Amino acid sequence: EAGVAQSPRYKIIEKRQSVAFWCNPISGHATLYWYQQILGQGPKLLIQFQNNGVVDDSQLPKDRFSAERLKGVDSTLKIQPAKLEDSAVYLCASSLGWDTTYEQYFGPGTRLTVT
Amino acid sequence: AQSVSQHNHHVILSEAASLELGCNYSYGGTVNLFWYVQYPGQHLQLLLKYFSGDPLVKGIKGFEAEFIKSKFSFNLRKPSVQWSDTAEYFCAVGNFVFGPGTRLSVLP
Repeated sequence: EAGVAQSPRYKIIEKRQSVAFWCNPISGHATLYWYQQILGQGPKLLIQFQNNGVVDDSQLPKDRFSAERLKGVDSTLKIQPAKLEDSAVYLCASSLGWDTTYEQYFGPGTRLTVT
Repeated sequence: AQSVSQHNHHVILSEAASLELGCNYSYGGTVNLFWYVQYPGQHLQLLLKYFSGDPLVKGIKGFEAEFIKSKFSFNLRKPSVQWSDTAEYFCAVGNFVFGPGTRLSVLP
């Protein structure tokens, strides 16, 4: 089966610019996650969707980050405006269900560099 | 809030050496515990998981982990590492809280 797809793979922007990342989960996976992984740290959950509804966005910096999953399939994560500290790899993952017993499948990530 | 600590930032071993990577978590209730691995240039993937039952769980590629509730630990072990085990290893609690990772380098 096809895995989780993400694009772009790399992005370089200047601070205060905006950027968007796209994720297409594994077909049939109801739950989609966005993580931020700063160099030298583990992934940090930003937002979790169940179909097109938000389950948890408690760690999403809502003043600059937004995410949507309008049709319950693919998703976009946006940063506007970007700050230097947003430089990180943004990982998308999907699973069959929202419960933690369901295995998450990760995409390759988008490496963002903010200069 | 849950938190996860991993004892070692970078571990260097020779092939055939035994491996133990430490993981401790803060949450005292019922937890689901995971180890993920990221090989160079590849995606994060699940190595093994513990939900309940036998505290010694076996995963892929000869890895195992032991859940010790009294110590809030879930250490990863492998009796004999191979060069192909070179990777970054992440412990996670509840599937959403990850530790900082341990980089394993295995020398041929």
